[in-house]
Amino acid sequence: AQSVTQLGSHVSVSEGALVLLRCNYSSSVPPYLFWYVQYPNQGLQLLLKYTSAATLVKGINGFEAEFKKSETSFHLTKPSAHMSDAAEYFCAVSPRAGRRALTFGSGTRLQVQP
Amino acid sequence: KAGVTQTPRYLIKTRGQQVTLSCSPISGHRSVSWYQQTPGQGLQFLFEYFSETQRNKGNFPGRFSGRQFSNSRSEMNVSTLELGDSALYLCASSIQERGTDTQYFGPGTRLTVL
Repeated sequence: AQSVTQLGSHVSVSEGALVLLRCNYSSSVPPYLFWYVQYPNQGLQLLLKYTSAATLVKGINGFEAEFKKSETSFHLTKPSAHMSDAAEYFCAVSPRAGRRALTFGSGTRLQVQP
Repeated sequence: KAGVTQTPRYLIKTRGQQVTLSCSPISGHRSVSWYQQTPGQGLQFLFEYFSETQRNKGNFPGRFSGRQFSNSRSEMNVSTLELGDSALYLCASSIQERGTDTQYFGPGTRLTVL
């Protein structure tokens, strides 16, 4: 069974600082990996996805994530935080074959201080 | 292109009642998945429909059911509501992009059971 672990349920950064949100997955075969963002009272918006085309994936709003097979990680980064980045971020995994349901991590709430 | 739409956005019911939630996928998307989001359990997969057939099912009791129509619109039904069914119910439609199913989420229906 696949699983996703997001380290840190809350992360606080200053505006302009680096954002680093951690995600580790557990799977016998490298899965597909996704990052979604959820703003208050809204659904999930896709930030980026890894499908094995490239290990460094660029997404929307200046975010990117790097797939590291040796570390089973897919951490999300952004060089400079903006106030509008304050939201909850979810890492998710789906298998490459068979059931395509997403398995989500528990989420990381990002706070951006002025 | 319009996104995933869900109706209603908010719903209040009492224990023992039943409820039906509706989801209209992005035009051209044939797969619809449903997820439940609660503070305690996080995001959990309910079921997935493709071409009017349930393709996957999560670990939820039989009180949770769904269906998909020929135009890909989907409904989920919860019978005999319990307090623990209070949650944000998210619908996602998906399409294969470069060999991967990418799921796009609607804004959700917030169900409160009193």
